Amino acid sequence: AQSVTQLGSHVSVSEGALVLLRCNYSSSVPPYLFWYVQYPNQGLQLLLKYTSAATLVKGINGFEAEFKKSETSFHLTKPSAHMSDAAEYFCAVSDRANDYKLSFGAGTTVTVRA
Amino acid sequence: EAQVTQNPRYLITVTGKKLTVTCSQNMNHEYMSWYRQDPGLGLRQIYYSMNVEVTDKGDVPEGYKVSRKEKRNFPLILESPSPNQTSLYFCASSLSLGIHGYTFGSGTRLTVV
Repeated sequence: AQSVTQLGSHVSVSEGALVLLRCNYSSSVPPYLFWYVQYPNQGLQLLLKYTSAATLVKGINGFEAEFKKSETSFHLTKPSAHMSDAAEYFCAVSDRANDYKLSFGAGTTVTVRA
Repeated sequence: EAQVTQNPRYLITVTGKKLTVTCSQNMNHEYMSWYRQDPGLGLRQIYYSMNVEVTDKGDVPEGYKVSRKEKRNFPLILESPSPNQTSLYFCASSLSLGIHGYTFGSGTRLTVV
């Protein structure tokens, strides 16, 4: 069965500092990988996705993620944090072996210090 | 505007009183799904539907029912709600699984007392 592990339930960064959110997945077949962001009292918004094309994926709001098959990782980064990046971030995986069901990690809450 | 619409946004109810959370999408998506979100657990799938009249259980289906009589609607039914169903619920739809991911509704915060 597929699964996702997000390392760190809370991350605190200073404004202007690097944001790094870690995601490791398990999948028996080539996966599709996603990062979603959830702002307070809102639904989930797709940040970016990996669908077997380029391994470095660029998303909205300056975020990007790199698919590393050898490490089964899909870490999310942003070079310079902004106050508006404070939110909860979810990594998710789907694959053919599980009928493309989307399985989520537990989430990482990001706070940005002024 | 392409969207998934859930109603209501907030609901407080009492144990055992049947309720329905509606979900509608205007994107002609075949695939729809319900998730519940609980702190520290992320989102867990309750039920999903591959097409009209085709539904199947997700990871946590106990205590829930769904129906898919029309392509655009996918209501979630709690026949006899219990306090452990207090949660944040999301409906989602997808054009095609895998590549496209999902579009999510704004969520329904349910409290069962």
